[in-house]
Amino acid sequence: ETGVTQSPTHLIKTRGQQVTLRCSSQSGHNTVSWYQQALGQGPQFIFQYYREEENGRGNFPPRFSGLQFPNYSSELNVNALELDDSALYLCASSLEGSGPTGRDEQFFGPGTRLTVL
Amino acid sequence: AQSVTQLGSHVSVSEGALVLLRCNYSSSVPPYLFWYVQYPNQGLQLLLKYTSAATLVKGINGFEAEFKKSETSFHLTKPSAHMSDAAEYFCAVSPGANNLFFGTGTRLTVIP
Repeated sequence: ETGVTQSPTHLIKTRGQQVTLRCSSQSGHNTVSWYQQALGQGPQFIFQYYREEENGRGNFPPRFSGLQFPNYSSELNVNALELDDSALYLCASSLEGSGPTGRDEQFFGPGTRLTVL
Repeated sequence: AQSVTQLGSHVSVSEGALVLLRCNYSSSVPPYLFWYVQYPNQGLQLLLKYTSAATLVKGINGFEAEFKKSETSFHLTKPSAHMSDAAEYFCAVSPGANNLFFGTGTRLTVIP
């Protein structure tokens, strides 16, 4: 069974640029959540996708957007990067049954560390 | 509103000593509670979760946690610390929506 993978591992961008982070869900999982973990902080929920539709969003501006593909892989896109966007971005996949409950175990990838200069 | 508070950003214990990491939660609905561990340069791994069944929850690597509604607490314990337990530990609450609310984490150092 393949776990959650993320790419790239590290990324350096400059303020104002755009970035795309990628996540491959664990086999059989149809739900993916994205989290931002700033240095010294706990992860903060960005949004979740279930069967290719956004299913909940945290307190992040619209310049944070996402996609989930038919094979349940996912992208996180951030436009107009700001210095405060520097963080570890974590992707987590889970298997939802009849619908998203948020109580199924989420399996995390190793993260992408984004540095904005 | 849902939130968790982890008391103590850093905890140091001697190898073989008791590990106690504190977590208090706030939730407007019956919560589901989780403890995750994060090793350097890795993602989060689930240690254990409380889902309204038994109040004493046993997890992996010898960890356990007890849900105490009266104290709104979900503290993590391990009877005997091992060097490999050194890591960052996060408590999280799920209100039944579709996301996890994490605490700020506790870094555990194990002294040989």
